[in-house]
Amino acid sequence: QLQLQESGPGLVKPSETLSLTCTVSGGSISSSFYYWGWIRQPPGKGLEWIGSIYYSGSTYYNPSLQSRVTISVDTSKNQFSLKLRSVTAADTAVYYCARHHQLENWFDPWGQGTLVTVSS
Amino acid sequence: DIQMTQSPSSVSASVGDRVTITCRASQGISSWLAWYQQKPGKAPKLLIYAASTLQSGVPSRFSGSESGTDFTLTISSLQTEDFATYYCQQTKRFPLTFGGGTKVEIK
Repeated sequence: QLQLQESGPGLVKPSETLSLTCTVSGGSISSSFYYWGWIRQPPGKGLEWIGSIYYSGSTYYNPSLQSRVTISVDTSKNQFSLKLRSVTAADTAVYYCARHHQLENWFDPWGQGTLVTVSS
Repeated sequence: DIQMTQSPSSVSASVGDRVTITCRASQGISSWLAWYQQKPGKAPKLLIYAASTLQSGVPSRFSGSESGTDFTLTISSLQTEDFATYYCQQTKRFPLTFGGGTKVEIK
């Protein structure tokens, strides 16, 4: 059974870089049929797609965040990572990683999510 | 970007009720739509993709349909475990976008 688990600091200072890693277990990140994505949810609000990556390293970003986001993959560790630069309080959210179907663009399964708070 | 508008934002219902949630796309997306269920403190769970295809393991009381740019999620007989927030997502093109959510509450 495929499982995803986010990890990283829960508190980041304004203007610094948010860094999270998603570890995939129970399956290979090098699947031909899937991307691997990041989605976030500010407290009490809706869902926002951040971006996705293919195991080859091809990336797709939300234009609203593209200037600040980098997603990378490490197939040897079965992990992919998110970096979001120059964060502000508006970046406070629960960050989820998820498997992203390459053709149909749905997300399943999701990690449990990790709350990242931006505060000094 | 394709905007997704859900209605209502919340609905109160009783166990056994039929519940309908609507999602409207700002432009044509054919059947490129997914529905998710999210319970408090939990990650979203995929229910339906391609507008009407039930994900494996999802109870048959859930169904999806489409009419033009309007999409509907129906729960035929609401169960206790169905009280949650539901989101639609257009899967047509990047950037992928979600509706604002519909909270199904206990009446």
